Amino acid sequence: DTGVSQDPRHKITKRGQNVTFRCDPISEHNRLYWYRQTLGQGPEFLTYFQNEAQLEKSRLLSDRFSAERPKGSFSTLEIQRTEQGDSAMYLCASSLGGQDNYEQYFGPGTRLTVT
Amino acid sequence: KNQVEQSPQSLIILEGKNCTLQCNYTVSPFSNLRWYKQDTGRGPVSLTIMTFSENTKSNGRYTATLDADTKQSSLHITASQLSDSASYICVVRTNTGNQFYFGTGTSLTVIP
Repeated sequence: DTGVSQDPRHKITKRGQNVTFRCDPISEHNRLYWYRQTLGQGPEFLTYFQNEAQLEKSRLLSDRFSAERPKGSFSTLEIQRTEQGDSAMYLCASSLGGQDNYEQYFGPGTRLTVT
Repeated sequence: KNQVEQSPQSLIILEGKNCTLQCNYTVSPFSNLRWYKQDTGRGPVSLTIMTFSENTKSNGRYTATLDADTKQSSLHITASQLSDSASYICVVRTNTGNQFYFGTGTSLTVIP
Protein backbone atom coordinates (compact mmCIF):
# COMPACT_ATOMS: atom_id res chain seq x y z
CA ASP A 1 0.00 0.00 0.00
CA THR A 2 1.59 3.26 -1.19
CA GLY A 3 -0.84 5.53 0.64
CA VAL A 4 -2.60 6.61 -2.56
CA SER A 5 -6.14 5.29 -2.78
CA GLN A 6 -8.53 5.12 -5.70
CA ASP A 7 -12.23 4.45 -5.80
CA PRO A 8 -13.83 2.43 -7.22
CA ARG A 9 -11.36 -0.33 -8.00
CA HIS A 10 -13.56 -1.69 -10.76
CA LYS A 11 -16.31 -0.08 -12.82
CA ILE A 12 -18.44 -1.67 -15.51
CA THR A 13 -20.61 0.71 -17.47
CA LYS A 14 -22.61 0.75 -20.65
CA ARG A 15 -21.48 2.78 -23.61
CA GLY A 16 -22.80 6.31 -23.45
CA GLN A 17 -22.94 6.51 -19.66
CA ASN A 18 -20.88 8.92 -17.57
CA VAL A 19 -18.43 7.67 -14.95
CA THR A 20 -16.43 9.41 -12.24
CA PHE A 21 -13.35 8.14 -10.47
CA ARG A 22 -11.79 9.46 -7.30
CA CYS A 23 -8.18 9.59 -6.19
CA ASP A 24 -6.98 10.40 -2.69
CA PRO A 25 -3.26 11.21 -2.73
CA ILE A 26 -0.82 11.09 0.14
CA SER A 27 -1.92 14.01 2.29
CA GLU A 28 1.13 16.28 2.06
CA HIS A 29 1.70 15.69 -1.66
CA ASN A 30 1.02 18.75 -3.79
CA ARG A 31 1.28 17.04 -7.18
CA LEU A 32 -1.26 14.64 -8.56
CA TYR A 33 -1.18 12.81 -11.89
CA TRP A 34 -3.71 10.80 -13.87
CA TYR A 35 -2.63 8.07 -16.29
CA ARG A 36 -4.40 5.57 -18.48
CA GLN A 37 -3.05 2.08 -19.04
CA THR A 38 -4.35 -0.46 -21.53
CA LEU A 39 -3.51 -4.14 -21.42
CA GLY A 40 0.11 -4.87 -22.25
CA GLN A 41 1.05 -1.21 -22.46
CA GLY A 42 2.75 1.21 -20.13
CA PRO A 43 0.77 4.02 -18.53
CA GLU A 44 0.03 7.08 -20.69
CA PHE A 45 -0.01 10.55 -19.15
CA LEU A 46 -3.42 12.23 -19.08
CA THR A 47 -3.16 15.25 -16.83
CA TYR A 48 -1.33 16.74 -13.87
CA PHE A 49 -2.21 19.06 -10.98
CA GLN A 50 -0.06 21.13 -8.73
CA ASN A 51 -2.27 21.81 -5.73
CA GLU A 52 -5.64 22.74 -7.25
CA ALA A 53 -4.25 24.02 -10.55
CA GLN A 54 -4.42 21.75 -13.58
CA LEU A 55 -1.09 22.54 -15.25
CA GLU A 56 -0.91 20.10 -18.13
CA LYS A 57 -3.29 18.04 -20.20
CA SER A 58 -2.35 15.39 -22.74
CA ARG A 59 -3.81 15.35 -26.22
CA LEU A 60 -5.28 12.01 -25.10
CA LEU A 61 -7.62 13.93 -22.82
CA SER A 62 -10.51 14.57 -25.18
CA ASP A 63 -13.41 16.90 -24.47
CA ARG A 64 -15.26 13.98 -22.89
CA PHE A 65 -12.69 13.82 -20.10
CA SER A 66 -12.49 16.30 -17.27
CA ALA A 67 -10.43 16.27 -14.11
CA GLU A 68 -10.66 18.40 -11.00
CA ARG A 69 -8.81 18.86 -7.76
CA PRO A 70 -10.99 21.47 -6.09
CA LYS A 71 -9.21 21.88 -2.77
CA GLY A 72 -5.80 20.63 -3.73
CA SER A 73 -6.41 17.33 -1.99
CA PHE A 74 -8.46 14.58 -3.65
CA SER A 75 -9.08 14.57 -7.39
CA THR A 76 -11.84 13.30 -9.63
CA LEU A 77 -11.67 12.16 -13.23
CA GLU A 78 -14.95 12.16 -15.13
CA ILE A 79 -15.56 10.53 -18.48
CA GLN A 80 -18.74 11.55 -20.27
CA ARG A 81 -20.49 9.50 -22.94
CA THR A 82 -18.14 6.57 -22.46
CA GLU A 83 -16.95 4.61 -25.48
CA GLN A 84 -15.60 1.08 -25.66
CA GLY A 85 -12.15 2.52 -26.35
CA ASP A 86 -12.21 4.08 -22.90
CA SER A 87 -11.87 0.63 -21.35
CA ALA A 88 -8.58 0.71 -19.49
CA MET A 89 -6.95 0.96 -16.08
CA TYR A 90 -6.95 4.55 -14.82
CA LEU A 91 -4.03 5.20 -12.49
CA CYS A 92 -3.50 8.09 -10.13
CA ALA A 93 -0.12 9.06 -8.71
CA SER A 94 0.99 11.71 -6.27
CA SER A 95 4.31 13.27 -5.35
CA LEU A 96 5.89 15.94 -3.23
CA GLY A 97 7.15 18.35 -5.85
CA GLY A 98 10.22 20.51 -5.91
CA GLN A 99 13.12 18.26 -6.82
CA ASP A 100 13.42 16.55 -10.18
CA ASN A 101 13.97 13.22 -8.45
CA TYR A 102 10.79 13.24 -6.43
CA GLU A 103 9.11 9.89 -6.09
CA GLN A 104 5.78 9.24 -7.70
CA TYR A 105 3.51 7.00 -5.64
CA PHE A 106 0.83 5.21 -7.61
CA GLY A 107 -2.58 4.12 -6.45
CA PRO A 108 -3.98 0.66 -7.23
CA GLY A 109 -5.94 1.95 -10.20
CA THR A 110 -9.56 1.88 -11.32
CA ARG A 111 -10.30 -0.67 -14.01
CA LEU A 112 -13.02 0.57 -16.34
CA THR A 113 -14.90 -1.77 -18.65
CA VAL A 114 -17.30 -0.21 -21.15
CA THR A 115 -19.75 -2.69 -22.63
CA LYS B 1 9.64 11.79 -31.12
CA ASN B 2 10.05 10.98 -27.43
CA GLN B 3 9.94 7.22 -27.02
CA VAL B 4 10.94 4.55 -24.54
CA GLU B 5 11.47 1.02 -25.81
CA GLN B 6 11.99 -2.03 -23.65
CA SER B 7 13.24 -5.50 -24.39
CA PRO B 8 12.53 -8.29 -24.15
CA GLN B 9 8.76 -7.99 -24.18
CA SER B 10 8.51 -11.04 -21.94
CA LEU B 11 10.91 -13.31 -20.13
CA ILE B 12 10.65 -16.58 -18.24
CA ILE B 13 13.45 -17.61 -15.88
CA LEU B 14 14.03 -20.23 -13.23
CA GLU B 15 13.93 -19.21 -9.60
CA GLY B 16 17.39 -18.29 -8.36
CA LYS B 17 18.68 -17.22 -11.78
CA ASN B 18 19.73 -13.70 -12.76
CA CYS B 19 18.28 -11.65 -15.59
CA THR B 20 18.77 -8.29 -17.29
CA LEU B 21 16.09 -6.10 -18.77
CA GLN B 22 16.87 -3.41 -21.33
CA CYS B 23 15.53 0.09 -21.91
CA ASN B 24 16.41 2.40 -24.81
CA TYR B 25 15.04 5.91 -24.98
CA THR B 26 14.98 8.91 -27.26
CA VAL B 27 13.45 11.31 -24.73
CA SER B 28 15.01 14.74 -24.71
CA PRO B 29 15.88 16.79 -22.79
CA PHE B 30 16.59 14.12 -20.22
CA SER B 31 15.97 14.65 -16.52
CA ASN B 32 15.92 11.20 -14.95
CA LEU B 33 15.13 7.58 -15.59
CA ARG B 34 13.06 5.35 -13.34
CA TRP B 35 12.37 1.66 -13.13
CA TYR B 36 9.05 0.52 -11.74
CA LYS B 37 7.71 -2.90 -10.80
CA GLN B 38 4.04 -3.46 -11.50
CA ASP B 39 2.24 -6.50 -10.17
CA THR B 40 -0.81 -7.62 -12.13
CA GLY B 41 -3.82 -5.43 -11.41
CA ARG B 42 -1.89 -3.00 -9.22
CA GLY B 43 -0.19 0.35 -9.60
CA PRO B 44 3.55 0.60 -10.37
CA VAL B 45 6.01 0.78 -7.48
CA SER B 46 9.29 2.63 -7.86
CA LEU B 47 12.53 0.62 -7.76
CA THR B 48 15.17 3.20 -8.70
CA ILE B 49 15.56 6.76 -9.94
CA MET B 50 18.71 7.74 -11.83
CA THR B 51 19.86 11.16 -12.94
CA PHE B 52 22.19 12.07 -15.77
CA SER B 53 25.29 11.80 -13.61
CA GLU B 54 24.52 8.39 -12.13
CA ASN B 55 25.79 5.26 -13.82
CA THR B 56 24.48 2.66 -11.45
CA LYS B 57 22.07 2.39 -8.54
CA SER B 58 21.07 -0.59 -6.47
CA ASN B 59 17.97 -1.44 -4.48
CA GLY B 60 18.44 -4.81 -2.84
CA ARG B 61 18.61 -7.45 -5.56
CA TYR B 62 17.81 -4.86 -8.23
CA THR B 63 20.65 -2.94 -9.92
CA ALA B 64 19.98 -0.33 -12.57
CA THR B 65 22.57 1.09 -14.93
CA LEU B 66 22.39 4.17 -17.09
CA ASP B 67 24.46 5.22 -20.10
CA ALA B 68 23.24 8.71 -20.89
CA ASP B 69 25.49 8.94 -23.94
CA THR B 70 23.92 5.96 -25.69
CA LYS B 71 20.54 6.55 -24.00
CA GLN B 72 20.36 3.06 -22.65
CA SER B 73 19.50 1.63 -19.27
CA SER B 74 19.35 -1.86 -17.87
CA LEU B 75 17.80 -3.45 -14.80
CA HIS B 76 19.61 -6.47 -13.43
CA ILE B 77 17.83 -8.80 -11.05
CA THR B 78 19.98 -11.21 -9.09
CA ALA B 79 18.92 -14.46 -7.43
CA SER B 80 15.36 -14.14 -8.72
CA GLN B 81 12.43 -15.06 -6.52
CA LEU B 82 8.89 -16.10 -7.40
CA SER B 83 7.70 -12.73 -6.11
CA ASP B 84 9.75 -10.99 -8.79
CA SER B 85 7.14 -12.10 -11.33
CA ALA B 86 5.70 -8.80 -12.54
CA SER B 87 5.93 -6.22 -15.29
CA TYR B 88 8.98 -3.96 -15.13
CA ILE B 89 8.50 -0.54 -16.63
CA CYS B 90 11.16 1.97 -17.64
CA VAL B 91 10.12 5.62 -17.36
CA VAL B 92 12.03 8.68 -18.55
CA ARG B 93 11.26 12.18 -17.38
CA THR B 94 12.03 15.34 -19.31
CA ASN B 95 13.12 18.52 -17.60
CA THR B 96 10.75 20.64 -19.65
CA GLY B 97 7.17 20.56 -18.51
CA ASN B 98 6.35 17.62 -16.31
CA GLN B 99 6.18 14.78 -18.78
CA PHE B 100 6.91 11.18 -17.97
CA TYR B 101 7.38 8.76 -20.87
CA PHE B 102 6.64 5.13 -20.09
CA GLY B 103 7.91 2.04 -21.86
CA THR B 104 5.53 -0.83 -22.54
CA GLY B 105 7.25 -2.95 -19.93
CA THR B 106 8.92 -6.34 -19.75
CA SER B 107 6.76 -9.10 -18.33
CA LEU B 108 8.92 -11.31 -16.12
CA THR B 109 7.80 -14.73 -14.96
CA VAL B 110 9.89 -16.60 -12.42
CA ILE B 111 9.13 -20.31 -12.26
CA PRO B 112 10.16 -22.79 -9.57
